[in-house]
Amino acid sequence: DTEVTQTPKHLVMGMTNKKSLKCEQHMGHRAMYWYKQKAKKPPELMFVYSYEKLSINESVPSRFSPECPNSSLLNLHLHALQPEDSALYLCASSQERGSGANVLTFGAGSRLTVL
Amino acid sequence: ELKVEQNPLFLSMQEGKNYTIYCNYSTTSDRLYWYRQDPGKSLESLFVLLSNGAVKQEGRLMASLDTKARLSTLHITAAVHDLSATYFCAVDRGHFGNEKLTFGTGTRLTIIP
Repeated sequence: DTEVTQTPKHLVMGMTNKKSLKCEQHMGHRAMYWYKQKAKKPPELMFVYSYEKLSINESVPSRFSPECPNSSLLNLHLHALQPEDSALYLCASSQERGSGANVLTFGAGSRLTVL
Repeated sequence: ELKVEQNPLFLSMQEGKNYTIYCNYSTTSDRLYWYRQDPGKSLESLFVLLSNGAVKQEGRLMASLDTKARLSTLHITAAVHDLSATYFCAVDRGHFGNEKLTFGTGTRLTIIP
């Protein structure tokens, strides 16, 4: 299995809702990432988990709450979002390949619309 | 703050022609990545460049890295329609195992028959 699976593919939510995005990989990768991509823009890093511990938080607002229940799963809990948070949320994972660099494998993304 | 700029932002070229996309970055890094993104899709890894002078080739695409000039190029040879996509370079500003990729602005490539 060489995939990163994200659910749901599409999500529409109101500003008072609580929802979650899910990400799963079974490649044994030890680092997992959340990126946010607005339309026609490059992806921007939000969070990095390394060995199930949060290692990087790029000053993301607290209405986004990541969780890594185990080495294969990564969640992004959403609460009280704003319309400007509408974007494609990409999950990725990576593992050392012995070449001095970890190449990220991205999921297909969850497209979020906040009304 | 690391800045990663690509040019051109938009590129429309005819099939069979050659062209180059440029990626400039503002701080020292010896790990640079190229990704491809089709409309509405995720990112696909193309190349990893790890040292000054590194050159990688796959099919009609060739990428190179000049760390002294802080410049990477993606060269397209004899373009074909299925190369139409947005291409991003990304510079790693983190530590090994905690990659912090900063993506370039992207180059939207359209190949015209």
